[in-house]
Amino acid sequence: NAGVTQTPKFQVLKTGQSMTLQCAQDMNHNSMYWYRQDPGMGLRLIYYSASEGTTDKGEVPNGYNVSRLNKREFSLRLESAAPSQTSVYFCASSGTGGTGDYEQYFGPGTRLTVT
Amino acid sequence: RKEVEQDPGPFNVPEGATVAFNCTYSNSASQSFFWYRQDCRKEPKLLMSVYSSGNEDGRFTAQLNRASQYISLLIRDSKLSDSATYLCVVREGIFQTGANNLFFGTGTRLTVIP
Repeated sequence: NAGVTQTPKFQVLKTGQSMTLQCAQDMNHNSMYWYRQDPGMGLRLIYYSASEGTTDKGEVPNGYNVSRLNKREFSLRLESAAPSQTSVYFCASSGTGGTGDYEQYFGPGTRLTVT
Repeated sequence: RKEVEQDPGPFNVPEGATVAFNCTYSNSASQSFFWYRQDCRKEPKLLMSVYSSGNEDGRFTAQLNRASQYISLLIRDSKLSDSATYLCVVREGIFQTGANNLFFGTGTRLTVIP
């Protein structure tokens, strides 16, 4: 039982390049999330997906797109990377409804640097 | 206005000490509360949920004061392995589509010194 996995662990991009961050969970959770974590800012929600087939914007969606490929997988795409997107990106998942389903479980993160 | 506020610390305490962290939240309608632990360069991991009546898990005690809108975490008999950043997390409900709407504090850094 791997929980939430993310690839890659590290990435360096040049301004204007694109890339996709991959996330998968094996906990049969309905909801999945993408966050970014910057020093002094706490985790901020980029996009989320309440269930397979749905995606919605979070607090800081500009410059990102997502795809909920199936129940297990939720990817985050940077179409044209900018230095302001240098951050640590975490994917998370949770159940919906019922005691204990509100807790979110995080992947190991992707450290992205845009030069 | 931040949804969740924490003292960033750092808190440097000797082994065996008792240390307490507080966290305040702005939305009185917030529904669920959590403490997460984050080690350096690692992902946040759930430490404990915080229940209305307060709850204890070994050396860790969490309390909720809804009237004053704050949450606390008490760590007794601190161990070196407790050194980490502790994140206060508040669930303000769910989005219309059903996903959880969580807000994270910036974290309080704890270093336990031998």
